[in-house]
Amino acid sequence: NAGVMQNPRHLVRRRGQEARLRCSPMKGHSHVYWYRQLPEEGLKFMVYLQKENIIDESGMPKERFSAEFPKEGPSILRIQQVVRGDSAAYFCASSQYTGNQPQHFGDGTRLSIL
Amino acid sequence: TQLLEQSPQFLSIQEGENLTVYCNSSSVFSSLQWYRQEPGEGPVLLVTVVTGGEVKKLKRLTFQFGDARKDSSLHITAAQPGDTGLYLCAGRPNFGNEKLTFGTGTRLTIIP
Repeated sequence: NAGVMQNPRHLVRRRGQEARLRCSPMKGHSHVYWYRQLPEEGLKFMVYLQKENIIDESGMPKERFSAEFPKEGPSILRIQQVVRGDSAAYFCASSQYTGNQPQHFGDGTRLSIL
Repeated sequence: TQLLEQSPQFLSIQEGENLTVYCNSSSVFSSLQWYRQEPGEGPVLLVTVVTGGEVKKLKRLTFQFGDARKDSSLHITAAQPGDTGLYLCAGRPNFGNEKLTFGTGTRLTIIP
């Protein structure tokens, strides 16, 4: 399966813990995007990364959230000191190039905060 | 902030009927993508439209991008139960801006 791979599919954390969400883009894709889907809401853009660079983080909350896409390995979305409001489905997408290239999505990580 | 409004929000029709879903904005988009999302899964890309007035067909699905690139429609002919799902439109604000703005979604149910 050469699609976008996200893990874990489900993640449960207690308030105050850290959550790490991983995303491996499609083979040959070097552009990664993270989106968040809150219950009963649409998908909202969070951050756009290329290898070792954050290109656009205009949708990221200013505190507790960070993202990286290292030279080797998957992209990581990290949420520190989680709160109940962080409960959502987090989706990763990737594209081969920029400029109206389609973004292909993974099946998401469902984060639940106890 | 660019917004994409989809209508209707919910649609339930009998198998074999035709339907149209609309995606509207007051803003111009450089391209627009349609996705379908099943429960517990990620959005699956159906089509990308780029040129104003462009029409693309995917079997029984017809997608159109408005002349002014502010709106789009999805028409399904002879709907089947397998068409049931959440349909999302997503626009790219301008060339060089890679983040997608998603519509509010249309939840479609086809009754056998």
